[in-house]
Amino acid sequence: EIVMTQSPATLSVSPGERATLSCRTSHSLTNSYLVWYQQKPGQAPRLLIYGASARATGVPARFSGSGSGTEFTLTISSLQSDDFAVYYCQQYNDWPLTFGQGTRLEIK
Amino acid sequence: QITLKESGPTLVKSTETLTLTCTFSGFSLTTSAVAVGWIRQPPGEALEWLALIYWNGDKYYSPSLKSRLTITKDISKNQVVLTMTNMDPVDTATYYCGHSGDCGGATCNYFDYWGQGTLVTVSS
Repeated sequence: EIVMTQSPATLSVSPGERATLSCRTSHSLTNSYLVWYQQKPGQAPRLLIYGASARATGVPARFSGSGSGTEFTLTISSLQSDDFAVYYCQQYNDWPLTFGQGTRLEIK
Repeated sequence: QITLKESGPTLVKSTETLTLTCTFSGFSLTTSAVAVGWIRQPPGEALEWLALIYWNGDKYYSPSLKSRLTITKDISKNQVVLTMTNMDPVDTATYYCGHSGDCGGATCNYFDYWGQGTLVTVSS
């Protein structure tokens, strides 16, 4: 099983600043089969990034994904109030599908 | 427009079997490379993938729960059903179903559309 480790657990950032979230995998992901989701309280997760770096439909350009192998990053270039939420990574390189423990992005 | 909605009991007792139904619209589970999966989330905790069923009937399960899970599809009703046996209070969670689409001829195996989720509480 591929273990997903997200860091930090909580990130405090001021609106307008950049946020950088990390996701590390226990095994290398061929073809960068990794996605990022955003989840707000009481809501289902929303797909943001697939294939490590491709934005899903309707996702603002301030969200970007990067990385390969075992190290992946989600960057939010200029935080808006709507961006404060929990972010999860998920790998789809191998079975079972696995999620990270999440990073809570909070207002500083 | 793709939509999914979970339904089932909100409260079950320990040792009972949980049956959840995902009713979807906007796509067909007969279309090549399409799949529907189940994911759960205990209160305040992370997401956990449970099971996935492909358009062709192939099924995949979380190894840690495989002995307790069964996923099936009813094409005529546009539904996917998940059963989980021997429920325990640790299975208390919001259960989501999700759509997995076509990634260049293969199933994506991630979820681009999600249902609203249904909270299932297991009492001892």
